[in-house]
Amino acid sequence: GESVGLHLPTLSVQEGDNSIINCAYSNSASDYFIWYKQESGKGPQFIIDIRSNMDKRQGQRVTVLLNKTVKHLSLQIAATQPGDSAVYFCAENILPGNTPLVFGKGTRLSVIA
Amino acid sequence: DAGITQSPRHKVTETGTPVTLRCHQTENHRYMYWYRQDPGHGLRLIHYSYGVKDTDKGEVSDGYSVSRSKTEDFLLTLESATSSQTSVYFCATKGVLNTEAFFGQGTRLTVV
Repeated sequence: GESVGLHLPTLSVQEGDNSIINCAYSNSASDYFIWYKQESGKGPQFIIDIRSNMDKRQGQRVTVLLNKTVKHLSLQIAATQPGDSAVYFCAENILPGNTPLVFGKGTRLSVIA
Repeated sequence: DAGITQSPRHKVTETGTPVTLRCHQTENHRYMYWYRQDPGHGLRLIHYSYGVKDTDKGEVSDGYSVSRSKTEDFLLTLESATSSQTSVYFCATKGVLNTEAFFGQGTRLTVV
């Protein structure tokens, strides 16, 4: 199926541990950020988003942290499971979102059972 | 996949031939995008559309053209395919009231 190639930063995590995936964004004017998950052979899927008026947002087992001072975004996955194995992308935009998302290069998360 | 269908899913073509990839959506989303995904580059924007007959170039538009004659269809054409256009192509859509984009399953194109 369709998938990202092999030349990605890789994070290997033991099942049950927490994962932290980092992303540096480029545009200081960006005020909206998304994390996408891409499983092998599939298109990217939305996980969680955050607006620049927040520095933390929690979902189910996932938390996104935003540090606008250093233009850094992180995705924390609690109690990582084998189904979390995928490539994770951050994306940035300027609201109201009439311009396209700009994506980072991605990080491959590999969960060790 | 928010009602987004890409066709074909796989294609092998020869250098110099024209190729058209189709993206069809059933969400009535205003915005549509074509990205390519390559090792080490992540997702790069080729072209996008603000609406019917309203398109613009992305960062890697050379060698590609697009058309959007109706809301639901966004076509990507490689005018004369080259080996450097071997890639996985993703279509995405976004509604006016959405902040996130929704992706299709992708098309793997190989130019030999």
